[in-house]
Formats: sequence, C-alpha cells, structure tokens
Amino acid sequence: DQQVKQNSPSLSVQEGRISILNCDYTNSMFDYFLWYKKYPAEGPTFLISISSIKDKNEDGRFTVFLNKSAKHLSLHIVPSQPGDSAVYFCAASAGQGAQKLVFGQGTRLTINP
Amino acid sequence: GAGVSQTPSNKVTEKGKYVELRCDPISGHTALYWYRQSLGQGPEFLIYFQGTGAADDSGLPNDRFFAVRPEGSVSTLKIQRTERGDSAVYLCASSLMLTDTQYFGPGTRLTVL
Repeated sequence: DQQVKQNSPSLSVQEGRISILNCDYTNSMFDYFLWYKKYPAEGPTFLISISSIKDKNEDGRFTVFLNKSAKHLSLHIVPSQPGDSAVYFCAASAGQGAQKLVFGQGTRLTINP
Repeated sequence: GAGVSQTPSNKVTEKGKYVELRCDPISGHTALYWYRQSLGQGPEFLIYFQGTGAADDSGLPNDRFFAVRPEGSVSTLKIQRTERGDSAVYLCASSLMLTDTQYFGPGTRLTVL
C-alpha cells in the first residue's frame, strides 16, 4: 500500500522555465511534508518542508503548495537551472515534525539547456 | 567531517553471510534513522533511535535485522543470514532533535550474491 505516490517517474523542462513536481498521499494522519533532492551516489538532500497548518511555503526558487482536501502537494522550481537535474522525493510524516518519513517513488527531473 | 558518514560505501557478500553497516551521525545529533532504498523506489523506513534506545523499530522486515547505538552516537545495522532480497542501498540519517530535519548520509550499497 503506497501511502505517498509520485505518479510521474520523469519530467523534462527547459532551462529558465518552471518545473512542477507532484505528489499525492492517502494517509490523513500525515501532517508534515518534505521534499528531498538526490544526485547519483549521494544521499537525499533536504530542500523544503511544509506543515499541514500552512498551504504554501517558499524558499528562494522553491515553493511547496499543500492542498489538504485533495491530499496533494506540489513543488515548484522557478526558474529551473541545469543543476536542478536530479531525482526528487516527496516525503510525509505523522505527529509534529519529521520523524518516521514515508517516501514516494521519486521523479527524475531533467533540465535541458 | 560535517555530514553523516557511512561505511563501507559498498559491500558485496554471499547469501547466508552476516554483515554490519556503520553510520556516524552529525556531531550533537540525538536522533538517528535507518532507511533502505531498493532500485526504482523511495527510501523505506527501518528504525530510529532517540539517544541510545530504539524509539521505533517497526520498519525492520524480520528478525534477521538488528540495529544498535550503544553510546548514543555511532550506530550499526546488523543483518544475519543475508538473502538476495536484502540487496539495496542502506541510508542513515540524523537530526538534532527527534522532530527536526533529517540529514542523510551517502548510503551503503549492499549486494548479496
């Protein structure tokens, strides 16, 4: 039972344009959500998080949107840069902050020059 | 070093053998997590420690898997009677406190022949 789903295995975006990565979850107990970025042969690197009491969180070029009624979150990257090419994982946890994380399958983002 | 380190980076073993995977968390981090990432999947939670004690080991797949953190710093994940299905990247993460952002190490790639 996949509680966190990233339905797009891959996404290709032109440099300078907006990248939108999507994530859906099924467990209504999840109240904290994160995005991690992973380069080959490295561990996941934390990007941005959002608590369920908010519907948007912004950090520089990265913005995460949370739609609790739809159990959906998205990560927007604008403008996209070649260094953003990586695998992006959505993760969720229940109970006040990042504890036992449940990850999606990941989306491979490729930024084309 | 400033980040989470894991040794070895790669481990090849034969079916039925015993292996130990080591994790050195970021200095001062009280919480430590183990995840397992199979090919094409996101990381899957195994166990986490708060200090020396295992706070939640619900993700350990069976009793062949065991983890310790005797002094509240370094942790060792132990796998007995390895099986081919145990082949994966084993990731360790640490956080300052239990609900804080988790920082991941580069992982140990385990291959069971």
